[in-house]
Amino acid sequence: GAVVSQHPSWVICKSGTSVKIECRSLDFQATTMFWYRQFPKQSLMLMATSNEGSKATYEQGVEKDKFLINHASLTLSTLTVTSAHPEDSSFYICSARDWRQGYGYTFGSGTRLTVV
Amino acid sequence: DAKTTQPNSMESNEEEPVHLPCNHSTISGTDYIHWYRQLPSQGPEYVIHGLTSNVNNRMASLAIAEDRKSSTLILHRATLRDAAVYYCTRGKNFGNEKLTFGTGTRLTIIP
Repeated sequence: GAVVSQHPSWVICKSGTSVKIECRSLDFQATTMFWYRQFPKQSLMLMATSNEGSKATYEQGVEKDKFLINHASLTLSTLTVTSAHPEDSSFYICSARDWRQGYGYTFGSGTRLTVV
Repeated sequence: DAKTTQPNSMESNEEEPVHLPCNHSTISGTDYIHWYRQLPSQGPEYVIHGLTSNVNNRMASLAIAEDRKSSTLILHRATLRDAAVYYCTRGKNFGNEKLTFGTGTRLTIIP
């Protein structure tokens, strides 16, 4: 089945630094990928839709200058958390859709970001 | 997300069937019903999706009401590994429509 690989699985960074999270579709091409954020005991919240070769579409309330999304190829989207602060600590998850077998959406394993 | 409504939590005994309900009374005619589950500290995992007819796969069955305003995810024989948060959502089966999640149902399996 479809596989979405997310890296790193966890990262700890200092306040004020930037962190990049990668999301790769391993065995299929994804013109669109989705980025979610999840706080403890809460549901997934969609942050943005990443479009290959064009600008990402951000959900209301998500700062596009803080959460930079780049989708430079059909298999890679990156999310960069710039000038991270402790309140950005969360579980970040990416997703894409593989149509080859009528699948639903496939999710990465998530990245646990801790800002200290 | 007000598009679907699920109970916050459910419990079931191990090796017994589990029926997880979901209400989606405002669903449109072209929306598929999707189910995902999420184990602790992992990304969601696809379980099943369907439009009108009941659907079966190796993981579960999906029973869709005739009026499509509700559906039930059926785990035929629950194991401890099925303990997770189960999300019911809906979306088109074409294009790259964004998928949004409600609060989900936290399923606890009792040994």
